[in-house]
Amino acid sequence: QKEVEQDPGPLSVPEGAIVSLNCTYSNSAFQYFMWYRQYSRKGPELLMYTYSSGNKEDGRFTAQVDKSSKYISLFIRDSQPSDSATYLCATRSRGGRDDKIIFGKGTRLHILP
Amino acid sequence: NAGVTQTPKFRVLKTGQSMTLLCAQDMNHEYMYWYRQDPGMGLRLIHYSVGEGTTAKGEVPDGYNVSRLKKQNFLLGLESAAPSQTSVYFCASSYSQSSTDTQYFGPGTRLTVL
Repeated sequence: QKEVEQDPGPLSVPEGAIVSLNCTYSNSAFQYFMWYRQYSRKGPELLMYTYSSGNKEDGRFTAQVDKSSKYISLFIRDSQPSDSATYLCATRSRGGRDDKIIFGKGTRLHILP
Repeated sequence: NAGVTQTPKFRVLKTGQSMTLLCAQDMNHEYMYWYRQDPGMGLRLIHYSVGEGTTAKGEVPDGYNVSRLKKQNFLLGLESAAPSQTSVYFCASSYSQSSTDTQYFGPGTRLTVL
């Protein structure tokens, strides 16, 4: 089993819809959870960061972590065509010198005008 | 600040040729990373460095070498390129390995090995 599983999509939704992106992970030691956004032919950029279980909101974006089910979600409200990108979930355990970030494969999202 | 820059942006190699990818950062970051990104595989860590003069292996290090002679630069070398090394290569850097620290990515190098 991969450490982080993510449906690659593509996911196409109409402009203005609520988007739900999801990942599952296998290692209960993971404590920190991230969402990166990657536009076509660009490098990933950090979008959201959460620690442990709970919700975190930033504008139209909400990141949710459920550690009991090892489930990570990103919600995008009032989706815009500019949100079209690949979204990568990522996780890590505790930080530190040799700690690694484990990335999901990414979900391609298309917002249709 | 330019952030993280990568040179070259594109390259086509023949099997067996060698090349070096250059990553530079102007944020005074201690940690630097090389990833490759392939369709259906996601981002995979090749090598990383926790400081000037130090390097360590990541998840997929075979066929690659790295050097960190200066804090701001991290070089990725392919001694004898193979078609399996066709990929998009991303460099990243971070100030520390704190669990809350952000990795900043470069724009990528698209490498094709024929």
